[in-house]
Amino acid sequence: DAGITQSPRHKVTETGTPVTLRCHQTENHRYMYWYRQDPGHGLRLIHYSYGVKDTDKGEVSDGYSVSRSKTEDFLLTLESATSSQTSVYFCAISSGDLEAFFGQGTRLTVV
Amino acid sequence: AQSVTQPDIHITVSEGASLELRCNYSYGATPYLFWYVQSPGQGLQLLLKYFSGDTLVQGIKGFEAEFKRSQSSFNLRKPSVHWSDAAEYFCAVGALTGRRALTFGSGTRLQVQP
Repeated sequence: DAGITQSPRHKVTETGTPVTLRCHQTENHRYMYWYRQDPGHGLRLIHYSYGVKDTDKGEVSDGYSVSRSKTEDFLLTLESATSSQTSVYFCAISSGDLEAFFGQGTRLTVV
Repeated sequence: AQSVTQPDIHITVSEGASLELRCNYSYGATPYLFWYVQSPGQGLQLLLKYFSGDTLVQGIKGFEAEFKRSQSSFNLRKPSVHWSDAAEYFCAVGALTGRRALTFGSGTRLQVQP
């Protein structure tokens, strides 16, 4: 398995609180992605990064921000969690050839 | 914009039977196509990919897929399904321009009957 670690693996948080999910890679890949997975929607891209401090929005970026201060770490922050952000979040990495390697996911519940 | 359609939400097959999962894509240029599999509670694992060349692509676990440009399809096949193939399958499309991120279909859940 590619060296991708997501933390935490499970989290329950209250509406209105900020939440940060972490993705750590040991593969030195340039591209990193955050997706959310919801029934009937497959995986939808939230944000992605194409290098340190280089990030951009995906299709469902509202309410989320990201940061990448080091090659190996990509943080996803829910600025003020809402129930609609209850989901499973996946981090993925790629060297740039599109083949993506996925982490194990973080199950987030907003109550 | 690129998009992927997986028309079948749920498919049930008997163990030993053949399998075909459908995938249709929309993309203006030459697409790069992928199939991933996800077991319950797990991340996604790459089954196979198509970049160029031979339109019949072999993958892991005995899966293959055929790229048909005229039909904008990339269907996944397996001649004989095993109970361990029960999982959710995702088709994805991407491009080497722009953001280099994959766009996924909504997935097909495969159930295998003994």
